[in-house]
Amino acid sequence: KAGVTQTPRYLIKTRGQQVTLSCSPISGHRSVSWYQQTPGQGLQFLFEYFSETQRNKGNFPGRFSGRQFSNSRSEMNVSTLELGDSALYLCASSLRTGSTYGYTFGSGTRLTVV
Amino acid sequence: AQKITQTQPGMFVQEKEAVTLDCTYDTSDPSYGLFWYKQPSSGEMIFLIYQGSYDQQNATEGRYSLNFQKARKSANLVISASQLGDSAMYFCAMREGDGNNRLAFGKGNQVVVIP
Repeated sequence: KAGVTQTPRYLIKTRGQQVTLSCSPISGHRSVSWYQQTPGQGLQFLFEYFSETQRNKGNFPGRFSGRQFSNSRSEMNVSTLELGDSALYLCASSLRTGSTYGYTFGSGTRLTVV
Repeated sequence: AQKITQTQPGMFVQEKEAVTLDCTYDTSDPSYGLFWYKQPSSGEMIFLIYQGSYDQQNATEGRYSLNFQKARKSANLVISASQLGDSAMYFCAMREGDGNNRLAFGKGNQVVVIP
């Protein structure tokens, strides 16, 4: 079965622009979580969506937002990009909340802000 | 405060040898889950093994086993019979409580397997 698909794989944006990243979870999975990975801060939780509702949000400014559609696909948006937003953005899907069998991650979107 | 601590420097491991990666965690929640992920240079996070806080036995998945010492808040990953394809970053992660999918990750351990 198809894994978690993240698009695009690579992005280059200019400071001040906005960007939208997409994540299609495994078929049947209803939970999508987003993470930011940087060399300095490591992997940090952004937010989690389950059945189109945001369930959890990490400590990120309001410039970071997300949503989930009825087909469980999720998008995250970053407005007014800053150089520090350059990172690998990973999404993970799971069947439900409180998963005990692990979360399946996508290959990530590597965002470079110049 | 850091929830997950992985302090080992990068490691070189001989092929076919076993390697242990250390992970300590900090939580006051009695219900939590511990995960290990592998991240090769391609960037994808690959799930390896899971241990629940109430599990009585240490988790095992093929060549991976988790040495869970609850009182010490330690969840070390043991990889037996290392293979060249095991070269990657390894991350320990924790989910606190049952009603969420929020993972806190450690900084990771770099492992390089040499022939």
